[in-house]
Amino acid sequence: QSALTQPRSVSGSPGQSVAISCTGTSSDVGGYNYVSWYQQYPGKAPTLMIYDVSKRPSGVPDRFSGSKSGNTASLTISGLQAEDEADYYCCSYAGDPYVFGTGTKVTVL
Amino acid sequence: EVQLVESGGGLVQPGGSLRLSCAASGFSFSTYWMSWVRQAPGKGLEWVANIKRDGGEKYYVDSVKGRFTISRDNGKNSLYLQMNSLRAEDTAVYYCARYSGYDLAYWGQGTLVTVSS
Repeated sequence: QSALTQPRSVSGSPGQSVAISCTGTSSDVGGYNYVSWYQQYPGKAPTLMIYDVSKRPSGVPDRFSGSKSGNTASLTISGLQAEDEADYYCCSYAGDPYVFGTGTKVTVL
Repeated sequence: EVQLVESGGGLVQPGGSLRLSCAASGFSFSTYWMSWVRQAPGKGLEWVANIKRDGGEKYYVDSVKGRFTISRDNGKNSLYLQMNSLRAEDTAVYYCARYSGYDLAYWGQGTLVTVSS
């Protein structure tokens, strides 16, 4: 039950694209198409941004997209906006339990 | 509107116990898996436990097995987390969350548990 590995931080200018990786193993990310991504502002509860690797809940802007290759999932934010500055966490089903990523701080320059 | 409201957090001494509650509304509580997720101060999210719709299946992260018990009362639309033998490393904000498939679609605002002498 080790946490999935994410970069500590990524940054980009408004309008640019940034990608956040989430690396696990064949027992979690690689073994199931059940990776989700959460956005969290300081002092607030997380919000679901992507589920089942690449699906977006209603209300989430289409500049957020998800993908997966092997044991690594990715969240891409295209057309970065100031309000995207937040912490982002991936999460994968691992056959019960679930496991979260280490978290990535996105900074908009 | 889906609402999840946690309560029961507070300051407890190492070795002590605490019971968290989560009051659910705005959806058919008995038809969803539920979960507890925690976040230590300044740290990342950690999945703690989940429970099946009827309470018949429960799963825990290794670090709380044998100490924490997740339960639910579908008649009261409530989720619980009984925490025993608390340690300093259990200090965190505890979130109640509702599943939608294999993701946590709705979250409460959290309740802070502080384990300290």
